[in-house]
Amino acid sequence: GENVEQHPSTLSVQEGDSAVIKCTYSDSASNYFPWYKQELGKRPQLIIDIRSNVGEKKDQRIAVTLNKTAKHFSLHITETQPEDSAVYFCAAGYYGGSQGNLIFGKGTKLSVKP
Amino acid sequence: EPEVTQTPSHQVTQMGQEVILRCVPISNHLYFYWYRQILGQKVEFLVSFYNNEISEKSEIFDDQFSVERPDGSNFTLKIRSTKLEDSAMYFCASSEVRGVSEETQYFGPGTRLLVL
Repeated sequence: GENVEQHPSTLSVQEGDSAVIKCTYSDSASNYFPWYKQELGKRPQLIIDIRSNVGEKKDQRIAVTLNKTAKHFSLHITETQPEDSAVYFCAAGYYGGSQGNLIFGKGTKLSVKP
Repeated sequence: EPEVTQTPSHQVTQMGQEVILRCVPISNHLYFYWYRQILGQKVEFLVSFYNNEISEKSEIFDDQFSVERPDGSNFTLKIRSTKLEDSAMYFCASSEVRGVSEETQYFGPGTRLLVL
C-alpha cells in the first residue's frame, strides 16, 4: 500500500521568511496530492492540492510542486505570517475506480515567529 | 458555505461499551470517509463508503467497526466494544464525486473519543 513520508516534523521560521515542507510517496499509482492545515483542536482544512498531470500549482503565497519521477512533492509558503502557524499534513491518494482514500504524512508543525 | 458536521463533539465511554459517532456530510456529496487521529499523530484512513457500501477499508477497520448510512443525511461509525486504544479524534469527510477535479475531501470538526 501507499506510504507517505513527511519532513521536517517541526519547522520554525521568522515572519516574512519562506517555509518548505517535503513529502515522498511510495505508490506510483497515486495521482492526487492535497495539503491540509490543521490548527490546534480543529479540523484539517484543505489549503492546496495538485494532480499528477500538473507539475506545479500556486495560490497566492502557497505553492506546491510535484516530481512524479522521484515521487516527491513539496509545499512552499512565502512571506510567512504568524497565522500560518499550524500543523501541515501532506497526503497522497489514487482516484479512479472505487478507490479514493487519502494516506497522510505525519505532519509538520510550523511556527512563525513575529 | 456547506460544511460537514459531526456529533457529539466529545464522547467519554467505558472500555467494552459501544459508541456511535454521527456525521452529516455535505448534502450533494456521494463519497464518505472516516479517519482517526490519535493525539499528536497523523490522520489515518479507516474506511470509505459509496452507494451504500464500503469501498475500501484499512487494517485498522476490523470487525469491531461498522459504518452505516441509515437515512439520506446521516453517516455513522459504530465501535462495538471500545478499547483503550480507540481513544482518538474521529473525523468524517465527504467528497462530491471521484473524478479529475472533484476529489476534494472536506473534513468535519471531529469527535473526540475517550475510552476509560
